[in-house]
Amino acid sequence: AQTVTQSQPEMSVQEAETVTLSCTYDTSESDYYLFWYKQPPSRQMILVIRQEAYKQQNATENRFSVNFQKAAKSFSLKISDSQLGDAAMYFCAYRTPINQGGKLIFGQGTELSVKP
Amino acid sequence: EAGVVQSPRYKIIEKKQPVAFWCNPISGHNTLYWYLQNLGQGPELLIRYENEEAVDDSQLPKDRFSAERLKGVDSTLKIQPAELGDSAVYLCASSLYGGASQETQYFGPGTRLLVL
Repeated sequence: AQTVTQSQPEMSVQEAETVTLSCTYDTSESDYYLFWYKQPPSRQMILVIRQEAYKQQNATENRFSVNFQKAAKSFSLKISDSQLGDAAMYFCAYRTPINQGGKLIFGQGTELSVKP
Repeated sequence: EAGVVQSPRYKIIEKKQPVAFWCNPISGHNTLYWYLQNLGQGPELLIRYENEEAVDDSQLPKDRFSAERLKGVDSTLKIQPAELGDSAVYLCASSLYGGASQETQYFGPGTRLLVL
């Protein structure tokens, strides 16, 4: 069974600094998708970034980028120039293949706080 | 483009009472998901619809939970009777199966249920 592990329950960063959130996963599939979602106190799950496993290039969305290491099954999120609005719970998620339901399997989350 | 809409946002009921949650997916999205999120954890899939067909309901506790998606658009998730352990956030998500972004699920704001 596929699993997703986020080993950092809480992280803290100074405003304007850079922070990296860790995520590892386990799967026997070769083609899959990985996501980072942000969940502020409002509980709305907001897509931050996604990565296709068949692409070697790391995904980037403005201040957000990932370090995707397929062999190591690692998928970390880097937030550059951190802003107060980045404070939230961050979830790493693995998407099962469509023939296995296409569901998202989430990690336990990392609570990110941003200090002014 | 309007996002996924859910109602109500909050619901407080006494145990053994019935409760229903409603979800309207993003226009044109044929795949709809219901997730359960317990406090301090990542969401877990309850049921997935492709159009009006429930294609994965293996995690839905069928003794008290039911769901429907009439006409392949809106969906309703029902609990009858509710138990104290059902207190959680219920998230609805949608995606476009077969589209260029079919792998991405977009979430609604969730319904926070408290059972007393």
